[in-house]
Amino acid sequence: DARVTQTPRHKVTEMGQEVTMRCQPILGHNTVFWYRQTMMQGLELLAYFRNRAPLDDSGMPKDRFSAEMPDATLATLKIQPSEPRDSAVYFCASGIRQGNGYTFGSGTRLTVV
Amino acid sequence: AQTVTQSQPEMSVQEAETVTLSCTYDTSESDYYLFWYKQPPSRQMILVIRQEAYKQQNATENRFSVNFQKAAKSFSLKISDSQLGDAAMYFCAYKGPRNTGGFKTIFGAGTRLFVKA
Repeated sequence: DARVTQTPRHKVTEMGQEVTMRCQPILGHNTVFWYRQTMMQGLELLAYFRNRAPLDDSGMPKDRFSAEMPDATLATLKIQPSEPRDSAVYFCASGIRQGNGYTFGSGTRLTVV
Repeated sequence: AQTVTQSQPEMSVQEAETVTLSCTYDTSESDYYLFWYKQPPSRQMILVIRQEAYKQQNATENRFSVNFQKAAKSFSLKISDSQLGDAAMYFCAYKGPRNTGGFKTIFGAGTRLFVKA
């Protein structure tokens, strides 16, 4: 089965450090999403891309978060500087058709200490 | 703005029995999509079933079926012959039409399902 690959699976870092999370969407999927999952807020949409162009990143704190898609096989989510409140599971998902659901990656569990 | 509400934080069901998870949503659109996702302890989000709002027929996928009530804006998930592997967090989700930012999906808070042997 085709899958969305996220790396790393776990990341522990100190406050103030830069964190980069990577996602390889399913080949041929032209829409890529970044979600953050916490116990308090549930699943929040941070940003999404269509055909590599950013369509909406209004859910992302702009001062410290950035999302890019340098090519069709790679999406990145960067936090600089990281803070303890950024601790969460970050999911990447990809899709192709409007009515279809997404395929999610396994997520990156980020812990900022 | 669209919202998705799952009013049951937790549910439990006996193995082999049937359970229904509730979901309501709010939208002014007439054409949209609804989904149920499952998140087991492995944390992998898995699409369980989807429904297109313009279709009156309720979607089914093996032991999973939905009761879609468009006028009531209700979209419940029924799991028949529950199995231990069904234990997970279940998320109801809404995706609007393309011309209103429909690429993004809004998720409910989730319902944790326990299956008792």
